[in-house]
Amino acid sequence: GDSVTQMEGPVTLSEEAFLTINCTYTATGYPSLFWYVQYPGEGLQLLLKATKADDKGSNKGFEATYRKETTSFHLEKGSVQVSDSAVYFCALSVIQGAQKLVFGQGTRLTINP
Amino acid sequence: GAVVSQHPSWVICKSGTSVKIECRSLDFQATTMFWYRQFPKQSLMLMATSNEGSKATYEQGVEKDKFLINHASLTLSTLTVTSAHPEDSSFYICSAQGGTGFYEQYFGPGTRLTVT
Repeated sequence: GDSVTQMEGPVTLSEEAFLTINCTYTATGYPSLFWYVQYPGEGLQLLLKATKADDKGSNKGFEATYRKETTSFHLEKGSVQVSDSAVYFCALSVIQGAQKLVFGQGTRLTINP
Repeated sequence: GAVVSQHPSWVICKSGTSVKIECRSLDFQATTMFWYRQFPKQSLMLMATSNEGSKATYEQGVEKDKFLINHASLTLSTLTVTSAHPEDSSFYICSAQGGTGFYEQYFGPGTRLTVT
């Protein structure tokens, strides 16, 4: 079945460091790919998405490129801030009447000043 | 816009009792709502999908008689955990979208259930 694997956390970085959170997927067909972020005490929020191969999603300085050849959607940011501390979820969607999301296990990111 | 609330945010109940969790879309009409369950340090697992006015569609392995889902209006869905047991303790998250197919899902903040 469809699945998403992302790098285990927690990840701790210093402010202004470069961030990469790896995400790979297994899916039949051509899924759409997403990164969601969950700040403490809040619901998941869509961070960025890509709907087809070679698409690049970007938002708030974060980027991820849909790589079909490597079945990956790695999240990157060039210079992280303390406010980026959160849990990040990679997900894919399979549309079967309704958009069903399959999530990775989440990666907790902590940025130290 | 696109705010989804859940109530309560946390609940403790005794084994054998039932607990109802509400999920509301505050500023849009949610044609479809989803219920997820999240175990500590694990992913969100989809439990069921519900469309307003119709029966929920449960994922394989989810007991429909134990996890009752009602989507009676375009802004409210409820999840009732019946005859709760300690193994039902978990974090329950709902999401809502304004249509079928490819629409963004908006997530509630979650409800932590502890069964003693």
